[in-house]
Amino acid sequence: ETGVTQTPRHLVMGMTNKKSLKCEQHLGHNAMYWYKQSAKKPLELMFVYSLEERVENNSVPSRFSPECPNSSHLFLHLHTLQPEDSALYLCASSQDLRGWYTFGSGTRLTVV
Amino acid sequence: GQQLNQSPQSMFIQEGEDVSMNCTSSSIFNTWLWYKQDPGEGPVLLIALYKAGELTSNGRLTAQFGITRKDSFLNISASIPSDVGIYFCAGQLGYGGSQGNLIFGKGTKLSVKP
Repeated sequence: ETGVTQTPRHLVMGMTNKKSLKCEQHLGHNAMYWYKQSAKKPLELMFVYSLEERVENNSVPSRFSPECPNSSHLFLHLHTLQPEDSALYLCASSQDLRGWYTFGSGTRLTVV
Repeated sequence: GQQLNQSPQSMFIQEGEDVSMNCTSSSIFNTWLWYKQDPGEGPVLLIALYKAGELTSNGRLTAQFGITRKDSFLNISASIPSDVGIYFCAGQLGYGGSQGNLIFGKGTKLSVKP
């Protein structure tokens, strides 16, 4: 596989559930990102990892917990989410922190 | 935080028409990018601009990096139905650290004229 792959594509979860989103890139990139996309809002940067080290956390609530075990994989662990967390969650990668991003197809999350 | 003003927010196109959209900012950017997002998919890079005044084409798409480095525009010539989608501009303030993070506009939604 090539590019940035996100799984699952769709996820419905209750507010008390715990789930994880997965992102995998086969581009040899060193930086990975999580973005949240809600209706009528700009893309919101959530987390940035460079060489598996978190370099930015944009005031994201602790119910979102990222994990980057290696430069090819990025996870977003979710627990006790709220309905307003329903959105499209996009993963992206870049060669380094200067490069332009390649996005995955996203996970459409619905919190009920 | 930094913001990009992207306009128009939405527009209707008729096949064969030319389309223009732009992004402006109060900040100077080192890089301007244009992405397109189809329904249910992630944004896909269309054009990247790295130098003030640069004019770059990708098929029927042409984008320019404004001379002041505070704006960019995207033109689509002779639009076709598959051009519908949401177009995002993105800018990069600098290199490295948080300066390298992309800042996105709110998008321009292209729809087919009824």
